[in-house]
Amino acid sequence: NAGVTQTPKFQVLKTGQSMTLQCAQDMNHNSMYWYRQDPGMGLRLIYYSASEGTTDKGEVPNGYNVSRLNKREFSLRLESAAPSQTSVYFCASSESVRGWDQYFGPGTRLLVL
Amino acid sequence: AQSVTQLDSQVPVFEEAPVELRCNYSSSVSVYLFWYVQYPNQGLQLLLKYLSGSTLVESINGFEAEFNKSQTSFHLRKPSVHISDTAEYFCAVSLLLGGANNLFFGTGTRLTVIP
Repeated sequence: NAGVTQTPKFQVLKTGQSMTLQCAQDMNHNSMYWYRQDPGMGLRLIYYSASEGTTDKGEVPNGYNVSRLNKREFSLRLESAAPSQTSVYFCASSESVRGWDQYFGPGTRLLVL
Repeated sequence: AQSVTQLDSQVPVFEEAPVELRCNYSSSVSVYLFWYVQYPNQGLQLLLKYLSGSTLVESINGFEAEFNKSQTSFHLRKPSVHISDTAEYFCAVSLLLGGANNLFFGTGTRLTVIP
């Protein structure tokens, strides 16, 4: 039982390049989330998926898109990376609609030059 | 609107001393409150939570937090810290949005335990 896994662990991009961050969970959770963590800002919600087939914007969705590929996988795409997207990205999942316990992955460190 | 304030960005404390990490929240509705811990180069882990019932909640590693509705606070305490408690601690409140439990995090408090 690996919990929540994220790939890649590290990535360096040039401005304008695109990439997809992958997230998978093996806990049969219904809800999944993408956050970004910046110094002095805490974690901010980018997008979430309450259940398979649904996605919704969070606090800071601009510049990102998501896909809930199936119940296990939730990907985050940067279509045209910008230096302001340099951050640490965390994926999380929770059991149900009222899944108060969110389980976090180890994070992806992204640097956009 | 929901917001969480962690006034102390860094808290240094000597080993075996007590510590309190402060958290205040603002919300127009009933809230559920959480403390998460992040060890270096790792993701966040749930430390403890308040959903309902007793206002004092405890974790398995000696931390406790008390929900104080009148002061809108949820401070985290430990009577005697250990080196292994060095980490960043995040207070969070929840709001049910679009069918999912969404967490709103404070900016974090970095606890450094000094030998």
